[in-house]
Amino acid sequence: DAGVIQSPRHEVTEMGQEVTLRCKPISGHDYLFWYRQTMMRGLELLIYFNNNVPIDDSGMPEDRFSAKMPNASFSTLKIQPSEPRDSAVYFCASSLGDEQFFGPGTRLTVL
Amino acid sequence: SQQGEEDPQALSIQEGENATMNCSYKTSINNLQWYRQNSGRGLVHLILIRSNEREKHSGRLRVTLDTSKKSSSLLITASRAADTASYFCAHMTTDSWGKLQFGAGTQVVVTP
Repeated sequence: DAGVIQSPRHEVTEMGQEVTLRCKPISGHDYLFWYRQTMMRGLELLIYFNNNVPIDDSGMPEDRFSAKMPNASFSTLKIQPSEPRDSAVYFCASSLGDEQFFGPGTRLTVL
Repeated sequence: SQQGEEDPQALSIQEGENATMNCSYKTSINNLQWYRQNSGRGLVHLILIRSNEREKHSGRLRVTLDTSKKSSSLLITASRAADTASYFCAHMTTDSWGKLQFGAGTQVVVTP
């Protein structure tokens, strides 16, 4: 298996633009997690899904953030409109319930 | 935001020395896990210890868990330059299966 796949790896955008981050979990995994990592706040869980259903979205910063998982092989995290304070590395991870497997991350810079 | 605490925040050692880092948490757990993150990369799972276990080994890694003190430690023996990374503990509470609460991490630098 190729592991968790995230795209794009780097994204530079201007304030106010819509940003969509993509994730393909490991085949067969039934949990999918979206995290954000910054120097100031460390690693934060934004939202996670079980069997494509959102279980806990309490970490989503505000209504500008939304996440979907239309099927077991794909998830998106959308920020609309983006702001400079959204600049961070966004990680997707998947699991069968115990250990989590992380993707390489998307480094987002909002100018 | 993190729900666990780790110490030290940073650790600098020489190759061949042992590195020990500690982690504390506040609630009842199902398991506790340790992850490594190399600069600019995703986290990599190292080891998992369940709440009914007290010690676990994997290669040069030794993890202990004391549920009465709500704490865990990770020992890396005979460290190598390649062990330079950030190390995170993460616990899974008994009421949130699948979800991990990560600590702030310990940054370890191993000097050749």
